[in-house]
Amino acid sequence: DVKVTQSSRYLVKRTGEKVFLECVQDMDHENMFWYRQDPGLGLRLIYFSYDVKMKEKGDIPEGYSVSREKKERFSLILESASTNQTSMYLCASSLTGLSFRELFFGEGSRLTVL
Amino acid sequence: GNSVTQMEGPVTLSEEAFLTINCTYTATGYPSLFWYVQYPGEGLQLLLKATKADDKGSNKGFEATYRKETTSFHLEKGSVQVSDSAVYFCALSDPRGGSYIPTFGRGTSLIVHP
Repeated sequence: DVKVTQSSRYLVKRTGEKVFLECVQDMDHENMFWYRQDPGLGLRLIYFSYDVKMKEKGDIPEGYSVSREKKERFSLILESASTNQTSMYLCASSLTGLSFRELFFGEGSRLTVL
Repeated sequence: GNSVTQMEGPVTLSEEAFLTINCTYTATGYPSLFWYVQYPGEGLQLLLKATKADDKGSNKGFEATYRKETTSFHLEKGSVQVSDSAVYFCALSDPRGGSYIPTFGRGTSLIVHP
């Protein structure tokens, strides 16, 4: 069974802390994504990566960075967490190709910044 | 740019009622269209897809037809069950750098009562 695993389901951090959200996939997928999910706003793409050490900004990259040192792992970093980054964060992965490839999602990491 | 608009929820139905969730899109090219579903406490999973005009995607009793003339991809089910209670996301593919990255709608919550 395909699997995308996010390291923490729930986190509580304080304003100004550095936060790492980890995501691992076991499907040998080239593409990995970080989305943020907020009520009424749906899913918004933060960053994606189509290869090791490669990254592209999504629609809302401000305040975030990412790291992809290995194919199976994609990390989202909040350098200095702020209360407006309280949200549900979803990681996803997919194969690459010339047409649509299904995204496989993790269960999400709910971050609260106090 | 590309965008997806879906009806606001929540949609509240009794078991065995007919379901329609409206979705319209704006795209510059010829996107693939799909519906994802998010059950409580879980990540998103692909429900169905359609890759060209007049295609009908179907799965688990749900159907959606790709209507290019009305730029729509409405989700329907003839008889909903309590277990269908979830958030449904309409989305289209968006080729960026060779990777087809979905653009998601805001999601529609469905609540089915016994």
